[in-house]
Amino acid sequence: DQQVKQNSPSLSVQEGRISILNCDYTNSMFDYFLWYKKYPAEGPTFLISISSIKDKNEDGRFTVFLNKSAKHLSLHIVPSQPGDSAVYFCAASYGGSQGNLIFGKGTKLSVKP
Amino acid sequence: DAGVIQSPRHEVTEMGQEVTLRCKLISGHNSLFWYRQTMMRGLELLIYFNNNVPIDDSGMPEDRFSAKMPNASFSTLKIQPSEPRDSAVYFCASSFSAETNSPLHFGNGTRLTVT
Repeated sequence: DQQVKQNSPSLSVQEGRISILNCDYTNSMFDYFLWYKKYPAEGPTFLISISSIKDKNEDGRFTVFLNKSAKHLSLHIVPSQPGDSAVYFCAASYGGSQGNLIFGKGTKLSVKP
Repeated sequence: DAGVIQSPRHEVTEMGQEVTLRCKLISGHNSLFWYRQTMMRGLELLIYFNNNVPIDDSGMPEDRFSAKMPNASFSTLKIQPSEPRDSAVYFCASSFSAETNSPLHFGNGTRLTVT
């Protein structure tokens, strides 16, 4: 049973437009959410995070939105750039422990010039 | 800072052979995580250590898998004997502490192929 789901395996966006990556979770105990970015042949790299006490966190072109009632979070990239082409993983944890960090299966973003 | 260093990058071995994967943590980090990535199951936590002590190994699939931290900066993941279903990409990651929300820093992984 997947506790963190990324239902879109892939997404294609034109350069300069907005990319929206979605993530759903089932465990109400999750209180911290992260997005990681992964290029081929490299490990995942931390991108942005959000605590459950917030509903939005912004860092440059990247914004994460959290809707606790819907158990849904999304990552917005504006404007999208070709260098953003990568696999994006959503992850969630609870109780301040990375030991229970659960990853989604990822969404492959392709940004076309 | 060199980041988390994993070796080898690729390993091809025959079924029944012993495989040892290696990981060097980022200096100053106290927690170490071993993950396995497959198409079917995605990224799964196998085991993690805090201050060299194994905290949770419930993700280790079988007794054929073992992990150690002989010192504060180095870890090994051993599979003995290896089987074709062990083929996957194995990542290690480190952080300041497993009991915080500080992000994990991943190595570039070891792609294991067992024939």
